[in-house]
Amino acid sequence: EIVLTQSPATLSLSPGERATLSCRASQSVNDYLGWYQQTPGQAPRLLIYDASNRATGIPARFSGSGSGTDFTLTISSLKPEDFAVYYCQQRSSWPMTFGQGTRLEIK
Amino acid sequence: EVQLVESGGGLVQPGGSLRLSCAASGFTFSSHAINWVRQAPGKGLEWVSAISGSGNSPYYADSVKGRFTISRDNSKNTVFLHMNGLRAEDTAVYYCAKALSATVWWWPYWGQGTLVTVSS
Repeated sequence: EIVLTQSPATLSLSPGERATLSCRASQSVNDYLGWYQQTPGQAPRLLIYDASNRATGIPARFSGSGSGTDFTLTISSLKPEDFAVYYCQQRSSWPMTFGQGTRLEIK
Repeated sequence: EVQLVESGGGLVQPGGSLRLSCAASGFTFSSHAINWVRQAPGKGLEWVSAISGSGNSPYYADSVKGRFTISRDNSKNTVFLHMNGLRAEDTAVYYCAKALSATVWWWPYWGQGTLVTVSS
């Protein structure tokens, strides 16, 4: 199965700052990589799919890039509601897999 | 409006069985894949299983293969996850989610989850 490794495990930033989250795949997933946001007690929310496409209703400050094995989620200017846990997921091959998550916390 | 409602969770002893349901509304059910994702307490997300709109193509994580079976009843707009041989490590909140479209298996629509606890 494809292993997704996210870094860093925890990212401490202040509102207004730029956040850069990384996801590395153990083998190529082409561009079949998505990003989810999860806040405590809530279901995950799809932010980005196919590496760079924003899902419906997702603000423009969220952007995704990358292909093959290295991917990045960028949040251009953090708002208070963006502090959450972020997961990447691949759908290139079965079984689908998630990364272990990056916790974005307020500094 | 797309709605997904999970049910069937609860407390079960190790080795026991449980059937989860995911009742859907607000879209053409038979055209969309549905998947199950779980989250153990305080842990990350783990993909569990998915099934195509027709029900002909099921997929499983290695951790549940041979123990869990996914199925769907398109006449009742419901997907099921039959779980046998339950282990302590299956304890988690189980979410169902609907695919973005008939052919794009990303998951923008989620239920609120149902808790499964495996303990003696």
